[in-house]
Amino acid sequence: AQSVTQLGSHVSVSEGALVLLRCNYSSSVPPYLFWYVQYPNQGLQLLLKYTTGATLVKGINGFEAEFKKSETSFHLTKPSAHMSDAAEYFCAVSDQGTNAGKSTFGDGTTLTVKP
Amino acid sequence: SAVISQKPSRDICQRGTSLTIQCQVDSQVTMMFWYRQQPGQSLTLIATANQGSEATYESGFVIDKFPISRPNLTFSTLTVSNMSPEDSSIYLCSVTSGTGGYDEQFFGPGTRLTVL
Repeated sequence: AQSVTQLGSHVSVSEGALVLLRCNYSSSVPPYLFWYVQYPNQGLQLLLKYTTGATLVKGINGFEAEFKKSETSFHLTKPSAHMSDAAEYFCAVSDQGTNAGKSTFGDGTTLTVKP
Repeated sequence: SAVISQKPSRDICQRGTSLTIQCQVDSQVTMMFWYRQQPGQSLTLIATANQGSEATYESGFVIDKFPISRPNLTFSTLTVSNMSPEDSSIYLCSVTSGTGGYDEQFFGPGTRLTVL
């Protein structure tokens, strides 16, 4: 069984400040890990993913995340927040292979960016 | 990649009625997935739909409430039956597609359902 815990349902930062959204996971098999963003009244957009290889993953819009197996974490960061980053962010985990589409999602973190 | 469309994009329904949501993919895929996102909550997997076999439902979801069809490799429907206000959610279709040993997951735009 898999699970995802996103620490902090709401995060507020000032424009230009560091963004850090926390995600911890549990999985009995090597996981695939994802971050998605959802803007109001829109669908899910993949920010970045970790499958294998390099543990520091770069995604769109200047976001990156680091897979730390020892800490079972996959925290999302961005050096400088922009107003357009305000959205809901979901961390997700899935198995590999035929279960790749059966993702387990965290509860989400709402990011607010203050001017 | 895979491009997914869903119909309807939104609907308002009366309790006790049923709504069928359509999902169309622009390429052939083996498995299609249906998710639910209740207001202010995260996504939960409802079921997996394989072409030519019955859908596999996750714990807490049953076929009588959420019947699924998968007539071919590019299309699926999800019916929300005998609706109640608790069924008000966004319903998302998803597929996996890819090569090289990794299947990327793609999501449709969702169907926003409100039950009165």
